[in-house]
Amino acid sequence: AIRMTQSPSSFSASTGDRVTITCRASQGISSYLAWYQQKPGKAPKLLIYAASTLQSGVPSRFSGSGSGTDFTLTISCLQSEDFATYYCQQYYSYPLFFGGGTKVEIK
Amino acid sequence: EVQLVESGGGLVQPGGSLRLSCAASGFTFSSYWMSWVRQAPGKGLEWVANIKQDGSEKYYVDSVKGRFTISRDNAKNSLYLQMNSLRAEDTAVYYCARAIYSGYEHPELYWGQGTLVTVSS
Repeated sequence: AIRMTQSPSSFSASTGDRVTITCRASQGISSYLAWYQQKPGKAPKLLIYAASTLQSGVPSRFSGSGSGTDFTLTISCLQSEDFATYYCQQYYSYPLFFGGGTKVEIK
Repeated sequence: EVQLVESGGGLVQPGGSLRLSCAASGFTFSSYWMSWVRQAPGKGLEWVANIKQDGSEKYYVDSVKGRFTISRDNAKNSLYLQMNSLRAEDTAVYYCARAIYSGYEHPELYWGQGTLVTVSS
């Protein structure tokens, strides 16, 4: 099974900050990685797939990079609506696994 | 508009059974892989199972193999999750989700609102 490790698990940031979240796979997954955003009480929202493809309708301040085992999600200029929990997910092989999540809080 | 509406959650005793349903609308249900993903209270996301368009392929996370069965009825535009031998650790909100494109297994673009399953005596 390919496990996903996200870091950090949480951090505080201010509106306008550039933030980066990392995700590491226990084995190579090529570019079969997705990033989701989840707000309290809501279903996850797909932000990025294939490691770097921005889902339609997602603001361009979100970007993803990486391949193999190391990936990053970057928010170039944090907005108030971006305070949420972010998850990576590998879909290279079954069983699928999500990372543990990164909670972005207001400083 | 794509809609996924889960139902069937509730309180069940350990060892009991429950069947979740997901009613799909706004797209050609028979053309998409479908999944169940769960989230225990205050915890992260956990993929549970998924099923191919015609039901010929099914995959499960190890912790539910032999206890849960995913199925679908394309004539009724519905996805199901039969859960047997339930344990306290199965307590979670269960989401139904649809793959991003027809013919693609993942990732999941559309999600339902979730249904809560509580396993407790």
